[in-house]
Amino acid sequence: DAGITQSPRHKVTETGTPVTLRCHQTENHRYMYWYRQDPGHGLRLIHYSYGVKDTDKGEVSDGYSVSRSKTEDFLLTLESATSSQTSVYFCAISESGGRETQYFGPGTRLLVL
Amino acid sequence: QQQVKQSPQSLIVQKGGISIINCAYENTAFDYFPWYQQFPGKGPALLIAIRPDVSEKKEGRFTISFNKSAKQFSLHIMDSQPGDSATYFCAAKRNSGAGSYQLTFGKGTKLSVIP
Repeated sequence: DAGITQSPRHKVTETGTPVTLRCHQTENHRYMYWYRQDPGHGLRLIHYSYGVKDTDKGEVSDGYSVSRSKTEDFLLTLESATSSQTSVYFCAISESGGRETQYFGPGTRLLVL
Repeated sequence: QQQVKQSPQSLIVQKGGISIINCAYENTAFDYFPWYQQFPGKGPALLIAIRPDVSEKKEGRFTISFNKSAKQFSLHIMDSQPGDSATYFCAAKRNSGAGSYQLTFGKGTKLSVIP
């Protein structure tokens, strides 16, 4: 998985609680992404980062925030989890300089009850 | 405009047969078209990719055919094997400023290759 770890790998939480997912990379890649994967929807981009402290919204950003204080870490926060945020969350990284391959982490399975 | 439409949703192919997955797009800003392969419990992994100035790209048993005028592209898996059983996603890339880019994914095709 190209030097990408995600934690936790599984989480069960209750509606209304805050949740933070962590993506850690050892590749020193500039770009990092958070996706969610749901049956029938494929992969949808939540937020992405193009450098430390530089982030932008993706297709399905409502209810999510991100932070990147170090090159290697990209955090995804669900401010107040809802059942509709039950999903598998994938982090991805890519190099700078026009390289277009995104490498994906192993995923975090989140269940919001 | 951002959508990538993928078909079929699921596909069953006999071992040794040809698997064909199709994708279509509308946004002419897309300039790179990768295919990802995902096994259960794993993250997607890049399989093969093509640029719109090329009509076909082949890597081993995997071939992408690209029709720019029709805004369609497809993945062909020749001599399909049980180990090819996975979910396949097409994607399309567009630039999004600050040197970054975004991938828009199709909804996926679950391929089952039966012996």
